[in-house]
Amino acid sequence: AQSVTQLGSHVSVSEGALVLLRCNYSSSVPPYLFWYVQYPNQGLQLLLKYTSAATLVKGINGFEAEFKKSETSFHLTKPSAHMSDAAEYFCAVSGGRETSGSRLTFGEGTQLTVNP
Amino acid sequence: NAGVTQTPKFQVLKTGQSMTLQCAQDMNHEYMSWYRQDPGMGLRLIHYSVGAGITDQGEVPNGYNVSRSTTEDFPLRLLSAAPSQTSVYFCASSYSEARPYEQYFGPGTRLTVT
Repeated sequence: AQSVTQLGSHVSVSEGALVLLRCNYSSSVPPYLFWYVQYPNQGLQLLLKYTSAATLVKGINGFEAEFKKSETSFHLTKPSAHMSDAAEYFCAVSGGRETSGSRLTFGEGTQLTVNP
Repeated sequence: NAGVTQTPKFQVLKTGQSMTLQCAQDMNHEYMSWYRQDPGMGLRLIHYSVGAGITDQGEVPNGYNVSRSTTEDFPLRLLSAAPSQTSVYFCASSYSEARPYEQYFGPGTRLTVT
């Protein structure tokens, strides 16, 4: 079965510092990969997705992620953290024989704290 | 567009009670799904639907029923609530199942079963 693992349930950075949230996936076929963000007491919102086009994917709010097949990774980065980036971030996978494009398998989530 | 709406926002049930969580979307999306979110476990798929009249089980379907009589609505029924069903429930929709279209999530329903 497809799965994703997010390394670090909590990440804390200073405002202006680099944000790096790690995601590794497991899939027997080329996957579709997603990052979603959840602000407090809200639903999830798509940040970006990889669908086998460019390996470097740019999303909203200055975030980007790079698909690395050799490392089975899809880490999320932002050069300079802002206080408004504080939220929970979820990596998700879908696609291939095991699931359709829309059936998502989520990671456990990473809570990002941004310190002033 | 209202997007994906869910009612109620909060609910407290006693063990053994039944209830229906409502979900509606006004984007004419074919694909709809229900997830539950528990701390440290991410979101897990309960049931999904690829169109009116078609539903299927996800990862954690036990204790839940769904139906899809219209494109817009996808209610989730708890037949006999148990404390293990205390969770936050999210409904989501996307244009089609077949491709990795963006999924739009509702604001969630916080359910507590005592």
